[in-house]
Formats: sequence, C-alpha cells, structure tokens
Amino acid sequence: DTGVSQDPRHKITKRGQNVTFRCDPISEHNRLYWYRQTLGQGPEFLTYFQNEAQLEKSRLLSDRFSAERPKGSFSTLEIQRTEQGDSAMYLCASSLGRLAGAGYNEQFFGPGTRLTVL
Amino acid sequence: GEDVEQSLFLSVREGDSSVINCTYTDSSSTYLYWYKQEPGAGLQLLTYIFSNMDMKQDQRLTVLLNKKDKHLSLRIADTQTGDSAIYFCAGSLYNFNKFYFGSGTKLNVKP
Repeated sequence: DTGVSQDPRHKITKRGQNVTFRCDPISEHNRLYWYRQTLGQGPEFLTYFQNEAQLEKSRLLSDRFSAERPKGSFSTLEIQRTEQGDSAMYLCASSLGRLAGAGYNEQFFGPGTRLTVL
Repeated sequence: GEDVEQSLFLSVREGDSSVINCTYTDSSSTYLYWYKQEPGAGLQLLTYIFSNMDMKQDQRLTVLLNKKDKHLSLRIADTQTGDSAIYFCAGSLYNFNKFYFGSGTKLNVKP
C-alpha cells in the first residue's frame, strides 16, 4: 500500500453513461497525475496537477474527459458519454514535488480504477 | 512526441542475470526510470538515473544509460522468482510535469 487510494476499484458502465473516479494522494504531496493503462501497454499520461492548478494535459484527454483538484488534495476524473474505447485501468499517482530532483519527485501510484464500458 | 520501445518478454532461470532493454526517442528526457508492476498491484519505482550519468548501481540492480544511442538497460543480478513481473522503462523532463512509459517487458523467472 503506497498511501495513494482510488475509488472505486472497479466500475462497469453502459456506453453513453458518465462516470467519475476519485483519487486521494498522500497528504503532503502537492503533485498529482492521472494515467490510463490498457491491457498489454504501459501507462499513458493524461494530466497533471500542481496543487489545485492543472498544468499539463495530454492530447489523449478529449473533451469528454475532465479532471479537477479543487482544494489541492483529492482529485476527480470524469468521463462523459463513455465509449467502449474508454475501457482501461485509470491510475493516479502523487509526488512530493516541493524540491528539484527525482528523489523528491518519485511518483507513488494508487491501485487504479478498472473501467469496463459495455 | 515521446516514444519508448521495449521488448515484450524475457525468460531467465533463477540465479541468472536478467537484462531488460529500452530505447527512447526524446533526447530532452532528463530522468529515466525503471518501474516494476506485479499482477494486481500498482507500479513501484525501482530506480532512476539522471541523464548526465552513464551508470547507477543499487544492490542487485544496475542501470546503464547510453545517451548517444538513447538506450537504457536494467540488469538484475541473481534473479529470483520474486522478480517475475512486468518492468516499465519511463522518462520525464526536468520539471516532472509529464512522464511517458514504454509498453513493458514481462520477465519470467524459471526455478
């Protein structure tokens, strides 16, 4: 257990429905990342927050995807009008990020939310 | 964009050394990483190397970086059955705003 929690762990939905996932990072971590991982692939970067500011978004993050981190603590990822191609594991990671250097920016990954779109 | 290539599978016998290779395209990568993912578990950082280093050793792990060829390798000495997992190569820029991962190498360690 890395200290990063994600909820729910599994979500099954029908095509066209909206879904929302939650990530609770390690409490003192100010950086938070979302990734998508499909079977047999590595994680694909989706978006990044420094505190409550969303500083980086991937081209993969279509208009149907939105992420928030309103108070710089937990984050939510919402997918609207889900499609079968959205089926994947959605991973959240957090890092301390207050100082430079990879040692202070080690990402701690949560267990993921597995989304299945029928 | 960033692209990271890894071979899909590696099979070794317990006690042998394993070498997992990775090539990347983004020459501006400042840090390069190796992560381990076991079945049903999250990703775990094993080690990382700064781009101005050629080698880093950490117990049974040795990372080699050839920046000219954009080639990264992870050597695991005395491989154990508990090392069986998927290993991901990853990179980031200096500001850690974005990370990019390879597709993973599945290491199978036979007793």
